[in-house]
Amino acid sequence: ILNVEQSPQSLHVQEGDSTNFTCSFPSSNFYALHWYRWETAKSPEALFVMTLNGDEKKKGRISATLNTKEGYSYLYIKGSQPEDSATYLCAFIGYSTLTFGKGTMLLVSP
Amino acid sequence: NAGVTQTPKFQVLKTGQSMTLQCAQDMNHEYMSWYRQDPGMGLRLIHYSVGAGITDQGEVPNGYNVSRSTTEDFPLRLLSAAPSQTSVYFCASTSMGQSTETQYFGPGTRLLVL
Repeated sequence: ILNVEQSPQSLHVQEGDSTNFTCSFPSSNFYALHWYRWETAKSPEALFVMTLNGDEKKKGRISATLNTKEGYSYLYIKGSQPEDSATYLCAFIGYSTLTFGKGTMLLVSP
Repeated sequence: NAGVTQTPKFQVLKTGQSMTLQCAQDMNHEYMSWYRQDPGMGLRLIHYSVGAGITDQGEVPNGYNVSRSTTEDFPLRLLSAAPSQTSVYFCASTSMGQSTETQYFGPGTRLLVL
């Protein structure tokens, strides 16, 4: 069982705050890292697929970076809005494995 | 495309009963998988399949069986339900295995075992 850690476990911010969270994963046998957004009572939806060291992806106010050598990825949300409230999951893809982290639960208050 | 569909959406079982959770996708994806989601545990892989006729165990396979007779369908069977199997179950599919293609998730099946 691979160790994919996400921190913090939960986060409560005010509307307009910028925030970031971390996904740590094994630095060996790396193939890809996925980020998903998971709203309550819905299914996870893909945000980013990251494959190269130094990758940086952006979708609106959300961006992600990747460091495969040290085994971490950051997800940033600029100017958080209440609709950003969700659990953010990362998934590490190795050569024959796919392991999800436990997620970071974000709550954005108006 | 309907994407990934799951039935039922909600089910209550008594300990010892059996049932099958259905999963179907219409995107011609080779790779399909089943996860369970429990509080504080994230998503845990139960079983997966890389194509019709091929299945393999994930992280938590005990108590579950799967089969993949067609590309479209990947049912999950509970042969003798236990309270520990109370969970939300998600089916997912993807087109190129686990690599650069993300997974598409079904809406989930909420299972309560009494």
